[in-house]
Amino acid sequence: QSVLTQPPSTSGTPGQRVTISCSGSSSNIGNHAVNWYQQFPGTAPKLLIYSSNQRPSGVPDRFSGSKSGTSASLAISGLQSEDEAVYYCAAWDDSLLWVFGGGTKVTVL
Amino acid sequence: EVQLLESGGGLVQPGGSLRLSCAASGFTFSNFAKSWVRQAPGKGLEWVSSISGSGFTRYYSDSVKGRFTISGDDSKSTLFLQMNSLRVEDTAKYYCVKDLGGGYGSGDYWGQGTLVTVSS
Repeated sequence: QSVLTQPPSTSGTPGQRVTISCSGSSSNIGNHAVNWYQQFPGTAPKLLIYSSNQRPSGVPDRFSGSKSGTSASLAISGLQSEDEAVYYCAAWDDSLLWVFGGGTKVTVL
Repeated sequence: EVQLLESGGGLVQPGGSLRLSCAASGFTFSNFAKSWVRQAPGKGLEWVSSISGSGFTRYYSDSVKGRFTISGDDSKSTLFLQMNSLRVEDTAKYYCVKDLGGGYGSGDYWGQGTLVTVSS
């Protein structure tokens, strides 16, 4: 059971906008920045969004993040086939631990 | 270019020990917090431990506290994870992660991971 709650899966057609939710509490998302990671099978996770809404250099601008209260969201606008992956949200927690969501598998139909 | 290269994984019996290493390059090792994050086969990401850039502050998940020890060697830019009293449920790929800076929980670079299998 993960501390942060994400839907296990979502899907969309190419060009569509999909969003992934991440629900936490006041001790993690409510008090700290949220980061999002993208992971393809057999590879290491890659930082996609940091500080809740910032994109590292090289990340396409179709990826965006937001945070409100104890929840966060990742949006993928203009979904592409290469976006098919598992996405994880993460945040530091006041209990001095790094917490992750269970991951959301995005399928491009 | 930041690079993190883990090593030391392998097959070990329950109750045994392993020491993982992570050779870092491309950044000033002592300026950034580092972490170990693991992923059991077919499962999600699970944080294991973090260490401050100075090495003075260390945090552990409840599942490994008292069994695992995180440390670093600034002179060799290498991060370690000493794992004792290993259990079957510790079986996972272990990733070394560099923090973005300014605290903890914002890993921006990940190694490719090293696989630890605990089995009799």
